[in-house]
Amino acid sequence: DTEVTQTPKHLVMGMTNKKSLKCEQHMGHRAMYWYKQKAKKPPELMFVYSYEKLSINESVPSRFSPECPNSSLLNLHLHALQPEDSALYLCASSNKGGSYNSPLHFGNGTRLTVT
Amino acid sequence: AQTVTQSQPEMSVQEAETVTLSCTYDTSESDYYLFWYKQPPSRQMILVIRQEAYKQQNATENRFSVNFQKAAKSFSLKISDSQLGDAAMYFCAYRSPQGGSEKLVFGKGTKLTVNP
Repeated sequence: DTEVTQTPKHLVMGMTNKKSLKCEQHMGHRAMYWYKQKAKKPPELMFVYSYEKLSINESVPSRFSPECPNSSLLNLHLHALQPEDSALYLCASSNKGGSYNSPLHFGNGTRLTVT
Repeated sequence: AQTVTQSQPEMSVQEAETVTLSCTYDTSESDYYLFWYKQPPSRQMILVIRQEAYKQQNATENRFSVNFQKAAKSFSLKISDSQLGDAAMYFCAYRSPQGGSEKLVFGKGTKLTVNP
C-alpha cells in the first residue's frame, strides 16, 4: 500500500475540459512534488511545494496550475491541455521541507489521456 | 548541472541469480545523496536503497546492495537471489544539498527482466 494517494487513477479529458488531479499524504511531510512521466522515460519535475509554498516551477505551461491547500494535500488543475500532455502524473512527498537527505515517497500516479 | 547516466537500457537475469545495474553521475559537489528507485508495472516509484556521499561504507538493504565509488562517480546496484518480483524499471537518482535540493535528477532507467 502506498502512503501517498493519488486520484483518479485514470483520466481521459478533451482539450477544452477542466479537471484536477489530487494527491494526499498523512506522513507529516512538508514538501510535495508533481512529476510528469512519459512512456519509457524518467520522471520530469514540474512543481515543488515546501511548507505549502511553491518553491520550484520548472517552466511548466500555465495550463497546469498547482495548488497546495494544506500540508497534506496537493492538487494539479488542468485546463486547455494538448494531446502531448498525455502522460503519467506522479505525486511525491518528503519530510524536512525537501531536504536533500530525505527520500521522496511516490504515489501510484494518474494516467492522463488528452483527446 | 548534475547528470546521471545509466548505460544499460535493458538487462535480464535468471531467477535466483545476481545482476548488477550500472549508474554513473557527474557533479562538482563533494556531498550529495544517491538513490535507486524501482518502478514496476504498477507504476509506483519505490525507493530501493540510498547512499550518502560522505559515507564510505556501501549501503545494503536485504538482497540489494550498492557499489559506491566516489572518485569514479559510480553507483551500481547489485541484486542478489533475483526474484520475479524484481522485474521493473530501475532509476538511479542524484540529489544535491545545495539550493534547489528539492530536485531529484534521474537517469534514463534500466529495464530489468527476470526469467524463471
